[in-house]
Amino acid sequence: NAGVTQTPKFQVLKTGQSMTLQCAQDMNHNSMYWYRQDPGMGLRLIYYSASEGTTDKGEVPNGYNVSRLNKREFSLRLESAAPSQTSVYFCASRDEDPWTRISYEQYFGPGTRLTVT
Amino acid sequence: DAKTTQPPSMDCAEGRAANLPCNHSTISGNEYVYWYRQIHSQGPQYIIHGLKNNETNEMASLIITEDRKSSTLILPHATLRDTAVYYCIATFNAGGTSYGKLTFGQGTILTVHP
Repeated sequence: NAGVTQTPKFQVLKTGQSMTLQCAQDMNHNSMYWYRQDPGMGLRLIYYSASEGTTDKGEVPNGYNVSRLNKREFSLRLESAAPSQTSVYFCASRDEDPWTRISYEQYFGPGTRLTVT
Repeated sequence: DAKTTQPPSMDCAEGRAANLPCNHSTISGNEYVYWYRQIHSQGPQYIIHGLKNNETNEMASLIITEDRKSSTLILPHATLRDTAVYYCIATFNAGGTSYGKLTFGQGTILTVHP
């Protein structure tokens, strides 16, 4: 049981390049999330997916797209990277009751450290 | 989500109890208080949550005041490995429009020293 895994761990991009951050969870969770964390700050929600086939914007969605490929995988795409997107990106999934959707904790991956020059 | 206020930093001696306060004076009746911590830029780790009763698990205790306007996370015997940023979050638990979204502030940097 690996929990939440993210690839790559580190990435350096030039301005204008594109890339996709991958996230997978093996806990059969319905909900998945992408956050970013800038130096010295708390995490901010970029996008989330309440269930397979659905995605919604979070607090800071501009410049990003997401795909919920299946129940396990939730990817984040930067179409044209900018220096302002230099950050650490965390993926998370959420455990919940299948009937009431009441949940208690999110499980976070180890993060992807992205630098855009 | 209700806004939470935490002190920016705290110190604690190893082996002593660490008491981390959180103010959430605008919390609504259906909002839970969650605590997460983040050790040295790793992904955040869930610690505990509560609605209005005090809660305890193997990691910590959570004391919520009767008026629910503030709470305290207690690490009963802090170790050096408890040095981390601790986040207090007030949010709705169930699905619907919130869908478990967490709003992280800047948290409290807890330093446990020998």
